[in-house]
Amino acid sequence: EPEVTQTPSHQVTQMGQEVILRCVPISNHLYFYWYRQILGQKVEFLVSFYNNEISEKSEIFDDQFSVERPDGSNFTLKIRSTKLEDSAMYFCASRPWGGGYEQYFGPGTRLTVT
Amino acid sequence: AQSVTQLGSHVSVSEGALVLLRCNYSSSVPPYLFWYVQYPNQGLQLLLKYTSAATLVKGINGFEAEFKKSETSFHLTKPSAHMSDAAEYFCAVGNQAGTALIFGKGTTLSVSS
Repeated sequence: EPEVTQTPSHQVTQMGQEVILRCVPISNHLYFYWYRQILGQKVEFLVSFYNNEISEKSEIFDDQFSVERPDGSNFTLKIRSTKLEDSAMYFCASRPWGGGYEQYFGPGTRLTVT
Repeated sequence: AQSVTQLGSHVSVSEGALVLLRCNYSSSVPPYLFWYVQYPNQGLQLLLKYTSAATLVKGINGFEAEFKKSETSFHLTKPSAHMSDAAEYFCAVGNQAGTALIFGKGTTLSVSS
């Protein structure tokens, strides 16, 4: 069964450094999402991406964040200058056009900023 | 605007007992509702979804949920808990536009023998 994959599973970085989190969505899906979950808190929406552009973003998704689909398979989230409060689990999700609108989630990348 | 409230951050049941996890939603448009399960150190797995068809929805692993518009609820149930059901469960609301899912805070289900 096709699944969303994410790399790395765990990333440790120092405050102020740039990180890129990578995702490979399910191959025939057209909508892509990033969410984050700070330890002990709810899953929060960051950004959605469709047709090579951002379709929606939350207030969390400020100028230090960016997303890109550099080729036909990868979907990346870049954090330019990490802060301690960026430490969280980051989930990528994708969904096909139409259907039941459910999103399929990857296993997540745990980002630790020290 | 849409929101989700999950009553009870932690639910404990005995193996074989009924599981009831509560979810109430708020939505200004017809909602699409989802339950996801998260096992330790894993991602979110879709359990079931409501998308305006049948109000009683059956999902994987014997779970089901009933959409009650009058009560703005979408509670998750399972007649007989199994040890393997121990996990965190998230209720989420979306809409036909396919925009962001809004999640509840989650309910941790513990199952004892």
